[in-house]
Amino acid sequence: DQQVKQNSPSLSVQEGRISILNCDYTNSMFDYFLWYKKYPAEGPTFLISISSIKDKNEDGRFTVFLNKSAKHLSLHIVPSQPGDSAVYFCAASEGGGADGLTFGKGTHLIIQP
Amino acid sequence: DAGVIQSPRHEVTEMGQEVTLRCKPISGHDYLFWYRQTMMRGLELLIYFNNNVPIDDSGMPEDRFSAKMPNASFSTLKIQPSEPRDSAVYFCASSSAAGVWQYFGPGTRLTVT
Repeated sequence: DQQVKQNSPSLSVQEGRISILNCDYTNSMFDYFLWYKKYPAEGPTFLISISSIKDKNEDGRFTVFLNKSAKHLSLHIVPSQPGDSAVYFCAASEGGGADGLTFGKGTHLIIQP
Repeated sequence: DAGVIQSPRHEVTEMGQEVTLRCKPISGHDYLFWYRQTMMRGLELLIYFNNNVPIDDSGMPEDRFSAKMPNASFSTLKIQPSEPRDSAVYFCASSSAAGVWQYFGPGTRLTVT
C-alpha cells in the first residue's frame, strides 16, 4: 500500500517553461512534506519542504503547493533549466520531519533545449 | 563538512555471504537513517536511530538484516546470509534534532549473485 504516490514516472518540459511535478498521499497523519532531487549515482539532495500548516512555500525558482483537503502537493519549477533534469522524489513524514521519510517512486524530469 | 560517507560504494557478493555496509553521518547529527532503493519498491526506510538508539526498525525486511550504531559517528547495516533479492542501492542519511530534512550519502550499490 503506497502512502505517497507520484503517478508520472517521467515528464518532458522545454527549457524556459514551467515544470509541474505532482504528488498524492493517503496518510492524513503526514504533517511535513519534502521534495528531493536525485542525479544518477548520487544520493537524493533536499530541495524544498512545506509544513502542513502552510499551503505554499517558495525558494527561488522552486515553489511547493500543498492542498490538504485533496491530499495533494505539487512542485513548480520556473523557468526550467537543463540542470533541472533529474529524478524528483516527493516525501512525507509524520513527525514534523524528524522521523523516517516515506517516499514516492519518483518522477524523471527531462528538460529539453 | 564531508557530508554523509558510505562505504563501499559498490559491493558484489555471492548468495549466502555476509555483507556489511558502513556509514559515517555528518558530525553533530543526532539521527541516522538507512534506506533501500529498488525498482519495484522505490526508496523505503529500513531503520533509524536517534542518539545511537534504534527507534523504528519496522522496515527491516527480515531477520537476515541487522543494523548497529556503536557510536555517534558510525553505523553498520549487515545482511547475513545475503540473497539475490537483496540487490539494491542502500542509502544512509542523517539529520540534526533541530533540522527537518535529511542529508543522504551517495549510496552503496549491492549486487548479490
